[in-house]
Amino acid sequence: GAGVSQTPSNKVTEKGKYVELRCDPISGHTALYWYRQSLGQGPEFLIYFQGTGAADDSGLPNDRFFAVRPEGSVSTLKIQRTERGDSAVYLCASSLMGTSGNNEQFFGPGTRLTVL
Amino acid sequence: RKEVEQDPGPFNVPEGATVAFNCTYSNSASQSFFWYRQDCRKEPKLLMSVYSSGNEDGRFTAQLNRASQYISLLIRDSKLSDSATYLCVVTPYNQGGKLIFGQGTELSVKP
Repeated sequence: GAGVSQTPSNKVTEKGKYVELRCDPISGHTALYWYRQSLGQGPEFLIYFQGTGAADDSGLPNDRFFAVRPEGSVSTLKIQRTERGDSAVYLCASSLMGTSGNNEQFFGPGTRLTVL
Repeated sequence: RKEVEQDPGPFNVPEGATVAFNCTYSNSASQSFFWYRQDCRKEPKLLMSVYSSGNEDGRFTAQLNRASQYISLLIRDSKLSDSATYLCVVTPYNQGGKLIFGQGTELSVKP
């Protein structure tokens, strides 16, 4: 079956612009996660959705970052007034349930964001 | 101090070698433990879960020591295809399963 998909695969923007990154999770997965990975580092947690609601947004770095999942499926990560430091690969993952047990997260291929 | 710490490497080993990766975590309330594999410019993929009793999957053996807050991964008889970055991952207790990743350890297996 289809895995997690993310669009666009690459996004180049200018400092100060607004960007939207989209994630399509695996069908039927109720939990959706966003992570950010900078070069040479492991992924860093940003936000977690259980259904339509953001259950944990403690990883969002500041109020320029916002994410939604209005129908409990597709999610959009929105970044306002982009800065060069926002350049990274943004990874989305989904799992059947959001629990701390062995509930495997499946990752999408990521969106590589470059802010010039 | 990072929540999950790994030696970033790189580890350069010949085919057939045995290589061990270590990882420490700071949150004693961590609940679940994993090793993920990430190929260059690809997404992370689950390699194996890690249990206190230790677990083995073919050439791969993972071990967890809760008292020392230490996780290990042993790869025997290394193959060229094992070349990748290995990420040590923990999940905090009762936080919706979010993953906390280490920096990753790069492995390069040479002919």
